[in-house]
Amino acid sequence: DAKTTQPPSMDCAEGRAANLPCNHSTISGNEYVYWYRQIHSQGPQYIIHGLKNNETNEMASLIITEDRKSSTLILPHATLRDTAVYYCIVRPRLHYGGSQGNLIFGKGTKLSVKP
Amino acid sequence: KAGVTQTPRYLIKTRGQQVTLSCSPISGHRSVSWYQQTPGQGLQFLFEYFSETQRNKGNFPGRFSGRQFSNSRSEMNVSTLELGDSALYLCASSPGGGGPVDEQYFGPGTRLTVT
Repeated sequence: DAKTTQPPSMDCAEGRAANLPCNHSTISGNEYVYWYRQIHSQGPQYIIHGLKNNETNEMASLIITEDRKSSTLILPHATLRDTAVYYCIVRPRLHYGGSQGNLIFGKGTKLSVKP
Repeated sequence: KAGVTQTPRYLIKTRGQQVTLSCSPISGHRSVSWYQQTPGQGLQFLFEYFSETQRNKGNFPGRFSGRQFSNSRSEMNVSTLELGDSALYLCASSPGGGGPVDEQYFGPGTRLTVT
């Protein structure tokens, strides 16, 4: 079972910031938070990951609370092309020579960006 | 770099037949994972291959099998197809280790319809 909880759907106005929350209250110290998104009928797209510090890349920012029990993915200026299902996933730290394990996808949040 | 490619993109098969799907990972990636996506069950992990060895396996019947070649390309095979095998089959590649994280990058998928 997925170890995260996300709202099933959210709306966002085009050009505004989209803030997608994720609850992972049972996360352990060696687990990372990953975000993927899936645009209709395409393969999931990697967005960002983090351990405990806030992270930013060209696509988004990831804010992780100090207790690491929740996080927020921020798309700073949402466009219509950001309409997708967003998945928050928790994965253990990789040990050398081992596998980080498969991605366990929950139901995600369906983000609808509206003009 | 070219992304993950999957062939064929669409396939229609009859119950009882078998099917082979192919995946070419991103150049330099040594790990290939396979996922099945259906409307009812969502995205579910099938198996992971690394250096031609199955490293991780999901909870699917033995009709689902895979292999990986020395160039990291992978194939998955489904024998004795059932109607419930109709799904989007996704392949993901990742570098395979050497650091604390191992982001997976997905291909566009193969849409299999069983009639």
